[in-house]
Amino acid sequence: QQQVKQSPQSLIVQKGGISIINCAYENTAFDYFPWYQQFPGKGPALLIAIRPDVSEKKEGRFTISFNKSAKQFSLHIMDSQPGDSATYFCAARASGTYKYIFGTGTRLKVLA
Amino acid sequence: ETGVTQTPRHLVMGMTNKKSLKCEQHLGHNAMYWYKQSAKKPLELMFVYNFKEQTENNSVPSRFSPECPNSSHLFLHLHTLQPEDSALYLCASKVTTKDTQYFGPGTRLTVL
Repeated sequence: QQQVKQSPQSLIVQKGGISIINCAYENTAFDYFPWYQQFPGKGPALLIAIRPDVSEKKEGRFTISFNKSAKQFSLHIMDSQPGDSATYFCAARASGTYKYIFGTGTRLKVLA
Repeated sequence: ETGVTQTPRHLVMGMTNKKSLKCEQHLGHNAMYWYKQSAKKPLELMFVYNFKEQTENNSVPSRFSPECPNSSHLFLHLHTLQPEDSALYLCASKVTTKDTQYFGPGTRLTVL
């Protein structure tokens, strides 16, 4: 119940295409869902985050779609660029805790 | 630069060695985390400190010993490690009342 399941494990997208990464969870106590971007040799950096009271959040080319009833959320990267090539992690945190549960990561490669 | 620094960036040690990892943040945060990142596995939370008090110990073996002398510094003391402990060890910090964690670049540990 503490898991966050992420898919796909890897993704190859053409420049200008849409990259979509999906995550699913079981614990209904989760109330904060961030996405992190990690480049080689760097630590993860927060990209965008959402709370379950909204169904979508957009920041530039990055959008989170959230489906509370299905317990799923996804990251959409519009107009994908080679500079977006990185590993992306979804995560979830239960209300009132300090504990973040991470997905296994998706390695995205955007072809020029 | 995220404001969270980790030293050393790379460490090779034998199973009988004792070494320490250091994390430092000057962001005014009061919660600090140690994570283990292994290939194709989710980030594993190891320890959480809030205002220098340990609030989470995620069933970590005793060969890993954390120390948080103040809100700006976090150490991970290592002794008698196993080859399967080889991984990227990430430190993160945040303001207790806020959601966003800030990660350091990690220490790449290799246990021979």
